[in-house]
Amino acid sequence: EAGVTQSPTHLIKTRGQQATLRCSPISGHTSVYWYQQALGLGLQFLLWYDEGEERNRGNFPPRFSGRQFPNYSSELNVNALELEDSALYLCASSFGLAGLYFGAGTRLSVL
Amino acid sequence: AQSVTQLDSQVPVFEEAPVELRCNYSSSVSVYLFWYVQYPNQGLQLLLKYLSGSTLVKGINGFEAEFNKSQTSFHLRKPSVHISDTAEYFCAVSGPGGYQKVTFGIGTKLQVIP
Repeated sequence: EAGVTQSPTHLIKTRGQQATLRCSPISGHTSVYWYQQALGLGLQFLLWYDEGEERNRGNFPPRFSGRQFPNYSSELNVNALELEDSALYLCASSFGLAGLYFGAGTRLSVL
Repeated sequence: AQSVTQLDSQVPVFEEAPVELRCNYSSSVSVYLFWYVQYPNQGLQLLLKYLSGSTLVKGINGFEAEFNKSQTSFHLRKPSVHISDTAEYFCAVSGPGGYQKVTFGIGTKLQVIP
């Protein structure tokens, strides 16, 4: 069974640009979560999608947005990139109470 | 509201020695508790979880944790560590409604010394 897959592995952008990160959940998982892991800040919850709807978002500005597609894959968009957006972005999926299953992440570097 | 405190940011330990990584939580409702491990340049892997039942939970790679409700703790232990256990470990808590409000601790870096 394939795990959670994220693409790209690395992404380099400049300030003001837009970044798009993609996530494919484990087959059968309908919930997708996005986390930001910035140096020294631990994991910060960004967004939760379930059955195609945004169910909850963390304390991040509106330029962080996303969506979930009918096949439950998800996209995270970050507009007007700032230097402090440089971080590892982790996607996780879940079904029931089995736990959160994480992908390997996308390393976003903003120059 | 819920919160997680991992009491040690770094824990150095010699190979084959026992280790305990400490985690305390606060929550106004019943909780689910988790430990995750993150190896360098990788995502997080679930080590073990407590949902209900026995307070001693066994996980992968020889790790175990004990849920102590009175002390609001969920410490992670391993009787004998290996070099391959060098990684960052995250404690997490969620409410009974599911994972939409999972709160992670800041992480503990375990360094196993040969």
